Amino acid sequence: GEDVEQSLFLSVREGDSSVINCTYTDSSSTYLYWYKQEPGAGLQLLTYIFSNMDMKQDQRLTVLLNKKDKHLSLRIADTQTGDSAIYFCAEPLSGGSYIPTFGRGTSLIVHP
Amino acid sequence: DTEVTQTPKHLVMGMTNKKSLKCEQHMGHRAMYWYKQKAKKPPELMFVYSYEKLSINESVPSRFSPECPNSSLLNLHLHALQPEDSALYLCASSQGGLAGTDTQYFGPGTRLTVL
Repeated sequence: GEDVEQSLFLSVREGDSSVINCTYTDSSSTYLYWYKQEPGAGLQLLTYIFSNMDMKQDQRLTVLLNKKDKHLSLRIADTQTGDSAIYFCAEPLSGGSYIPTFGRGTSLIVHP
Repeated sequence: DTEVTQTPKHLVMGMTNKKSLKCEQHMGHRAMYWYKQKAKKPPELMFVYSYEKLSINESVPSRFSPECPNSSLLNLHLHALQPEDSALYLCASSQGGLAGTDTQYFGPGTRLTVL
């Protein structure tokens, strides 16, 4: 987790877009993941992206991958108060593994 | 059923106690995991069981002892814990594929406090 970096906090207004950024270290990672953790709950896999893709869209979620800069971002369109949670970026434990190792997490706070 | 259940939800124990955390899934998954999560930190992998065999032990102290009695159950036995072991303990399961997006499903966790 120490090698995956994220900003710790993001505050947005309801209806705006949220962009959560992440940098990772292992250029051989086959997949990169975004997880969501609501207060008092376990983690939920939101989405993932293959390393051979630049972008993936899934309803309100858009993932962008810049392999050159090892930068991953998660955009949430039309952010709702129910999106308030901690969002973890994750890369596999080792290049060929599927077990995620997590960044520190970004706390997203959505104001009405 | 896509649920991973964990019991108890909360546990308070003394340093001399012996207790167990339990995790259960009925999704037919063959891989199960224990993670430890301290406040405001990411989850840290502790153990991985694959087909009921311990496949990964991330150098966890011996006061934590995992057990996988069958493919649906995963236990974490606790003995002589320290106050710094207080954390949220998360269980997860996945199909157990060797590659690809072997999605992990997480339980809600057990909040452990060691006095």
